[in-house]
Amino acid sequence: RKEVEQDPGPFNVPEGATVAFNCTYSNSASQSFFWYRQDCRKEPKLLMSVYSSGNEDGRFTAQLNRASQYISLLIRDSKLSDSATYLCVVTLNQAGTALIFGKGTTLSVSS
Amino acid sequence: DAGITQSPRYKITETGRQVTLMCHQTWSHSYMFWYRQDLGHGLRLIYYSAAADITDKGEVPDGYVVSRSKTENFPLTLESATRSQTSVYFCASSEPRGTIEAFFGQGTRLTVV
Repeated sequence: RKEVEQDPGPFNVPEGATVAFNCTYSNSASQSFFWYRQDCRKEPKLLMSVYSSGNEDGRFTAQLNRASQYISLLIRDSKLSDSATYLCVVTLNQAGTALIFGKGTTLSVSS
Repeated sequence: DAGITQSPRYKITETGRQVTLMCHQTWSHSYMFWYRQDLGHGLRLIYYSAAADITDKGEVPDGYVVSRSKTENFPLTLESATRSQTSVYFCASSEPRGTIEAFFGQGTRLTVV
């Protein structure tokens, strides 16, 4: 079983739509969680960290459920510029050891 | 310029040749990583380093060698390139405090023919 699993999509949505991505991780010892964004043929960049209490950054909301080992990302009012691949990422401890990536979920927002 | 840079950006090499991909960061981050990205597999960790002279294997280390004699550099060497090593290689660095954000280089697109 892959350590971090995501629905690969693609998700094709119109502008203004709300879209949710899900991610599960297999190692209960995982301690830090993130969503990264990767544009086509570019390097991944941090979108947001994910906390147990949930956190919001503008149109983006991330949730973590440790009991279910489940992470989510909600994007409201989708923009064309949100089109990208969204990568779910976990680390095993706070010391910043290697990030473990899911394969990514592709989002395409159309006008 | 501050940041993390990889060189070369593009490389074509022949099977059996040795090739080295360079990675340099200016933040003095403790941790550095090498990933490869392939269709259908996502980003997979090859090697990482917690500090100068400390390296460890990741998920797919076979056929690769790394070194870290200086904090800012983390070269990746393919000792005898194979076609299966055709991929996009990303170097990253992070500091084990705060958000633990990893910063990535722009990637090296390697083709082995």
